Amino acid sequence: EPEVTQTPSHQVTQMGQEVILRCVPISNHLYFYWYRQILGQKVEFLVSFYNNEISEKSEIFDDQFSVERPDGSNFTLKIRSTKLEDSAMYFCASRGVLNTGELFFGEGSRLTVL
Amino acid sequence: LAKTTQPISMDSYEGQEVNITCSHNNIATNDYITWYQQFPSQGPRFIIQGYKTKVTNEVASLFIPADRKSSTLSLPRVSLSDTAVYYCLVGDWGSSASKIIFGSGTRLSIRP
Repeated sequence: EPEVTQTPSHQVTQMGQEVILRCVPISNHLYFYWYRQILGQKVEFLVSFYNNEISEKSEIFDDQFSVERPDGSNFTLKIRSTKLEDSAMYFCASRGVLNTGELFFGEGSRLTVL
Repeated sequence: LAKTTQPISMDSYEGQEVNITCSHNNIATNDYITWYQQFPSQGPRFIIQGYKTKVTNEVASLFIPADRKSSTLSLPRVSLSDTAVYYCLVGDWGSSASKIIFGSGTRLSIRP
């Protein structure tokens, strides 16, 4: 069964460092999403991406965040200067078909900022 | 996206049927009702989606009354492995659905 893959599974970084989280969505999917989940809290929408541009972003997704799809397969989330409060699990998701709310999520990347 | 309300937590026992109800009073004509399951440290997983009446798959059933202002996710004969958070989402999943929001969900705990 096709799946969304994410790397790394866990990253530890120092505050102020740049982090890139990578995702490989399901190959024929067209809509891509990043979510984050702080430990014990709900899944928060960050950004959606379609046709090589951001469709929508939340208030969390400020100038420190960026996304791109550099090569037609990877979908990356960059955090330019990490803060302690960026520590969370980051989930990538993709969606292939319109008129369905079925997102396919990856296993997540746990980011720990020290 | 329609606002949804669901219980914060529920407890049940193995072998029981569990019903989780979600209220969505301001559901729109084009909105669908979608449920997800999330285990600790994993991404949410799609369970079931429906528009009206009843939908059933190998995992669950979804009951939607005629007014569509609520829905009930039914898990038959639960086991310990059904312990998870269950999310109810309501929205028009067409091309404009670029912002799919998860609420707080229902934390289901299954006991032996």
